[in-house]
Amino acid sequence: ETGVTQSPTHLIKTRGQQVTLRCSSQSGHNTVSWYQQALGQGPQFIFQYYREEENGRGNFPPRFSGLQFPNYSSELNVNALELDDSALYLCASSLYGTAIYEQYFGPGTRLTVT
Amino acid sequence: RKEVEQDPGPFNVPEGATVAFNCTYSNSASQSFFWYRQDCRKEPKLLMSVYSSGNEDGRFTAQLNRASQYISLLIRDSKLSDSATYLCVVNIGFPGNQFYFGTGTSLTVIP
Repeated sequence: ETGVTQSPTHLIKTRGQQVTLRCSSQSGHNTVSWYQQALGQGPQFIFQYYREEENGRGNFPPRFSGLQFPNYSSELNVNALELDDSALYLCASSLYGTAIYEQYFGPGTRLTVT
Repeated sequence: RKEVEQDPGPFNVPEGATVAFNCTYSNSASQSFFWYRQDCRKEPKLLMSVYSSGNEDGRFTAQLNRASQYISLLIRDSKLSDSATYLCVVNIGFPGNQFYFGTGTSLTVIP
């Protein structure tokens, strides 16, 4: 086990609604990244948070936003949900500043938008 | 053009076989490289980081070729438990920290 936890495990939402997903990082890690994984695809990088600020962002629209808290846990918020947002959302924690940037993933939140 | 290209397979190999996966990346500024494995409906798990000089962990060997911009993973003496999807990952540090995953290569080891 990596020590990275996510909640909830599963979620069903309706198109147009908003959703908040949560992630607790592994002890000793200070960085959290969020990914979206559609069925049959590799994870797509959404963004990364370090020191409570966004430290990098993939090709996702502004309705995907996040927060990092002083204890390094993080939230992913998605507004105006679309059917294509249905996916597995993964968070990964790591220690920023190391030479090799190893990330450890949580079990994910499976979001279904109807 | 995708940042990371990976042969999706599937690869079906007998137990004991040697199998190799390759992954190419497009950004020459890429700085860190990794292989992850992902079992069905589970999260990706770090298999190994890929060092410039190449590295080995038991039956697994990873190589990096910066000149040709590809990374490889070699699995020797395949076990049934190696059946999974293997994902290559590239980290680009500027602008902003970004990570790119390949689509994954499916491996099934057959008894």
